[in-house]
Amino acid sequence: NAGVTQTPKFQVLKTGQSMTLQCAQDMNHNSMYWYRQDPGMGLRLIYYSASEGTTDKGEVPNGYNVSRLNKREFSLRLESAAPSQTSVYFCASIIDRDYGYTFGSGTRLTVV
Amino acid sequence: ILNVEQSPQSLHVQEGDSTNFTCSFPSSNFYALHWYRWETAKSPEALFVMTLNGDEKKKGRISATLNTKEGYSYLYIKGSQPEDSATYLCASFGRGAQKLVFGQGTRLTINP
Repeated sequence: NAGVTQTPKFQVLKTGQSMTLQCAQDMNHNSMYWYRQDPGMGLRLIYYSASEGTTDKGEVPNGYNVSRLNKREFSLRLESAAPSQTSVYFCASIIDRDYGYTFGSGTRLTVV
Repeated sequence: ILNVEQSPQSLHVQEGDSTNFTCSFPSSNFYALHWYRWETAKSPEALFVMTLNGDEKKKGRISATLNTKEGYSYLYIKGSQPEDSATYLCASFGRGAQKLVFGQGTRLTINP
C-alpha cells in the first residue's frame, strides 16, 4: 500500500502564479485534510473533506480552494500565489475518528 | 472552540533518562485523543488513539494515559534514546466533530 501520496514534493512559484497540489490515498479512507506547517505555528488546517462530495473550511482557508474529486483524491489549489503561502503542506486521511490520521510526505512550496 | 495545549514546548533530556509531557484539552464534548510522533523532515505518524477515561496505551518504551474527566493526557518515554528525538503532537476530536484540533507540540531532544 502506498498510503497517502502527495505531488509534487517541492515547488517554487512566482507571486501571482497558480498551481494545484495533488493528494491521493489508496486506503479507502472517508475523510481527507489539508494542513500547512509554518515555524512556530504547528499544523494549521486549511480545508477538509469529511466524506466524498463535501468540503469545509478550516482555520486558514483564504487564498485556497479544494476539490474532492472522488473518494481517493483531494486537491488543493492556489489561484494566485503569495509569499505568505510559502510553507510545507501536508495532506492527511482517516477512515474514521477511532483511528489515527495517515499523513502524506509533504510538499515544500516557496513563493518568490 | 476546542483548544488543545501542550507543555512544555521543548525539552532536553539526557540519554537513558525517562521523561513525560502533558496534553490538556476541554473535557466537555470529548470524543478521542490522538498522539503523533513527528521527526524532522518527515511527516507525523500516529502513536496512540484513546477514547475511554483511564485508557493506558503502550508501544515499546512509550506509553500514554488519558483522563477525560479532568481533560489531560500524559505521554511517557522510558529510557530515552537519541532516536526518540522528535516533536510529539497531541490532538483531540470533539464529539460530533469531523476534524482533529492539534496542540502546538512538545519538541523533545535527547542528548547523547
